[in-house]
Amino acid sequence: DVKVTQSSRYLVKRTGEKVFLECVQDMDHENMFWYRQDPGLGLRLIYFSYDVKMKEKGDIPEGYSVSREKKERFSLILESASTNQTSMYLCASSSGTGVIYGYTFGSGTRLTVV
Amino acid sequence: AQSVSQHNHHVILSEAASLELGCNYSYGGTVNLFWYVQYPGQHLQLLLKYFSGDPLVKGIKGFEAEFIKSKFSFNLRKPSVQWSDTAEYFCAVNPPRSGGYNKLIFGAGTRLAVHP
Repeated sequence: DVKVTQSSRYLVKRTGEKVFLECVQDMDHENMFWYRQDPGLGLRLIYFSYDVKMKEKGDIPEGYSVSREKKERFSLILESASTNQTSMYLCASSSGTGVIYGYTFGSGTRLTVV
Repeated sequence: AQSVSQHNHHVILSEAASLELGCNYSYGGTVNLFWYVQYPGQHLQLLLKYFSGDPLVKGIKGFEAEFIKSKFSFNLRKPSVQWSDTAEYFCAVNPPRSGGYNKLIFGAGTRLAVHP
């Protein structure tokens, strides 16, 4: 089975801190995604990447950046954390040959910014 | 704005009741459609998907969904729910002209609680 591993299950950070959320997948997938999940809003796409060093903005990129230096790793960066970034962050990956296989999701990182 | 709408945010059913969760999307053209499920404390899993062909799609655990193009809908159904179906269900769309990036747009989700 494809595994998508997010480095932390829970994180608590202070306002203004720089926060790194790490995601690693082990099936050589081309596409990787970062979503945030909030009650009543579902999943909203922050950024995605379709190749190493390539990135595309999703629907809510403000306040975030990403890094993809290696194919298996996709990092989400909160440049200066704010309380409105308290959320569940989900990483996903998919094969570049087609969306027919859907996404494989990680277990999520619940970030609290205080 | 183009979107994916799930009509019910919370659904409460008794075991053996029938389930139908609504999903509508506003994208024109050819879309690919998905339902995902998130059981308590677990990661999202794919329930079923539609790409083409028979508009009635069968997925895992007895779920099925029907694509009605004229209504821009992809409703999820199960004839008889079990307590273990308690979860949050998300409809998702791969919009046309996504540039081949396999981008998925998700609905807000429906929380289903099944009582024994």
